[in-house]
Amino acid sequence: QVTLKESGPVLVKPTETLTLTCTVSGFSLSNARMGVSWIRQPPGKALEWLAHIFSNDEKSYSTSLKSRLTISKDTSKSQVVLTMTNMDPVDTATYYCAREGSSWLYFDYWGQGTLVTVSS
Amino acid sequence: QSVLTQPPSASGTPGQRVTISCSGSSSNIGSNYVYWYQQLPGTAPKLLIYRNNQRPSGVPDRFSGSKSGTSASLAISGLRSEDEADYYCAAWDDSLRGVFGGGTKLTVL
Repeated sequence: QVTLKESGPVLVKPTETLTLTCTVSGFSLSNARMGVSWIRQPPGKALEWLAHIFSNDEKSYSTSLKSRLTISKDTSKSQVVLTMTNMDPVDTATYYCAREGSSWLYFDYWGQGTLVTVSS
Repeated sequence: QSVLTQPPSASGTPGQRVTISCSGSSSNIGSNYVYWYQQLPGTAPKLLIYRNNQRPSGVPDRFSGSKSGTSASLAISGLRSEDEADYYCAAWDDSLRGVFGGGTKLTVL
């Protein structure tokens, strides 16, 4: 079955760079028109889309965060990596990865999410 | 301030029909598909409606979506206690990329 699992640090300091990994199973990152998005949710707040990458290496980023984000994939490892630079306490959130297919924002499978706290 | 505007809360009694609105602009809802996600407390969101009004397999037909111009709506008929959750609309924005609404907390009274 399809699963996604986020991994990365639970605590980062302000100004540090966050690196999150999404490991997928049950499908291949090389499948046609298949992608993975990163979405975050600050405690008690709304969802926020961050970035996505597709099998053809097409990438898009949230306009407001584009300067801080980099998304990449390693198809052989079934992993999608998101880096976010210059972390700030307002970046404290649960970070989700989700499978995206059929059309943009069609998230049919989600990871459980990982809570990242930004604090000194 | 979210790009897509939703009411922060909605409520209804069991069996009732409730609707949740999602207002956007010509660069998002007006020109792209709308999606709806349901998030139960402490869990990841779940796809409820895609491409404006399509239901994934397994989603009850009590849930329906519609779109008109730059607005969209999610309707839930035959309200049940297990529908109590947060609901989010989402759409692609031609400038901003992926955008979500601020979310609507649905309470079943």
